[in-house]
Amino acid sequence: SQKIEQNSEALNIQEGKTATLTCNYTNYSPAYLQWYRQDPGRGPVFLLLIRENEKEKRKERLKVTFDTTLKQSLFHITASQPADSATYLCALADSNYQLIWGAGTKLIIKP
Amino acid sequence: NAGVTQTPKFRVLKTGQSMTLLCAQDMNHEYMYWYRQDPGMGLRLIHYSVGEGTTAKGEVPDGYNVSRLKKQNFLLGLESAAPSQTSVYFCASSYPDTLHVAKNIQYFGAGTRLSVL
Repeated sequence: SQKIEQNSEALNIQEGKTATLTCNYTNYSPAYLQWYRQDPGRGPVFLLLIRENEKEKRKERLKVTFDTTLKQSLFHITASQPADSATYLCALADSNYQLIWGAGTKLIIKP
Repeated sequence: NAGVTQTPKFRVLKTGQSMTLLCAQDMNHEYMYWYRQDPGMGLRLIHYSVGEGTTAKGEVPDGYNVSRLKKQNFLLGLESAAPSQTSVYFCASSYPDTLHVAKNIQYFGAGTRLSVL
């Protein structure tokens, strides 16, 4: 079965630095990958989608890369701010177009 | 525009009790989903619906039932609650892009925190 792994340990980053989160997957070749943000007590909110034939996608201070050879996606936040502190989830579509979710990585941006 | 609304926000049940969680969306989305989220685990799909009057099982359907009588509403029922169903439940909806069916961006409610004692 498909498996998605995100770093379960919280990532502590100094304000202004670039935060990089990792999403690794096995046993599947997804057509696309999504990243969501989840704040405490709230539902996930969609951020970015990247297709298998795209190497990189950007949105303001966010950048996502997708390496289908390594079976890995990297999520970058440049010039990080305390307001970026949240849990970030990655998700892949399975063969039935249902999303398979990683457990998320908690990001803490320190002032 | 409210998006996806879940009720109730919190609930405590005793083992064996039943309850229904309500999800309503005002975005005219065809697809709706129920997930549960447990610590250290990704969202797990319980049931989903691809349109009014249709439902299908997800990854963890046992102990739950659903109904989609109206396009905008998706109900999740627990017939006889068990402590293992203590979790945070999220409803989501999406409007599949017919040109790129795999796109499936989902919009979530704020969740229902359920404790079963």
